[in-house]
Amino acid sequence: AQSVTQLDSQVPVFEEAPVELRCNYSSSVSVYLFWYVQYPNQGLQLLLKYLSGSTLVKGINGFEAEFNKSQTSFHLRKPSVHISDTAEYFCAVSDQLPGSYGKLTFGQGTILTVHP
Amino acid sequence: DAGVIQSPRHEVTEMGQEVTLRCKPISGHNSLFWYRQTMMRGLELLIYFNNNVPIDDSGMPEDRFSAKMPNASFSTLKIQPSEPRDSAVYFCASSLGTGSQETQYFGPGTRLLVL
Repeated sequence: AQSVTQLDSQVPVFEEAPVELRCNYSSSVSVYLFWYVQYPNQGLQLLLKYLSGSTLVKGINGFEAEFNKSQTSFHLRKPSVHISDTAEYFCAVSDQLPGSYGKLTFGQGTILTVHP
Repeated sequence: DAGVIQSPRHEVTEMGQEVTLRCKPISGHNSLFWYRQTMMRGLELLIYFNNNVPIDDSGMPEDRFSAKMPNASFSTLKIQPSEPRDSAVYFCASSLGTGSQETQYFGPGTRLLVL
């Protein structure tokens, strides 16, 4: 079984400031890692995912995340945020076991609020 | 493509009534997921279908919940009878393949309020 902990429930920042949203996971097997974003009254949308290879993953809207296996972390970063980045962000994992079908385990979410 | 389509977007009902939520996955996708989102429990997977067959329903909270996928383009989640604690946002998601690396595409959700 896996678990995902998002260390901050809310992150307020000013426009054009950098931001980091933290995610730690726990799993007894290798996992794939995802970040999804949920804008108000909408469904979730994939920002980026780590499957293998380079530990630095670039996603949409200027976001990137770094996989750190030793620290079991997958923190999301953006060097300069915009008002339009205001949303809730979810970190998720799925295991790599053969026959797994992609069951996602989500963190509790981090609400990012960008102030002018 | 129109993306994953869910209906209704909002549903208000009274305790004891039957509720049916509907989902149309993205054409060509062969995996379908139903999730529930609440403030207390976050996002929970309820049931997963592959090629219209239910594979894992271990997340369905109790017998009052049932889900069907009669064909590749339609799925329903039914609650009968509904209770106030079922109030939540219900999401349907679909993916192209069956592996854990696949991206899931979420619908806009159905916001359910049971009075």
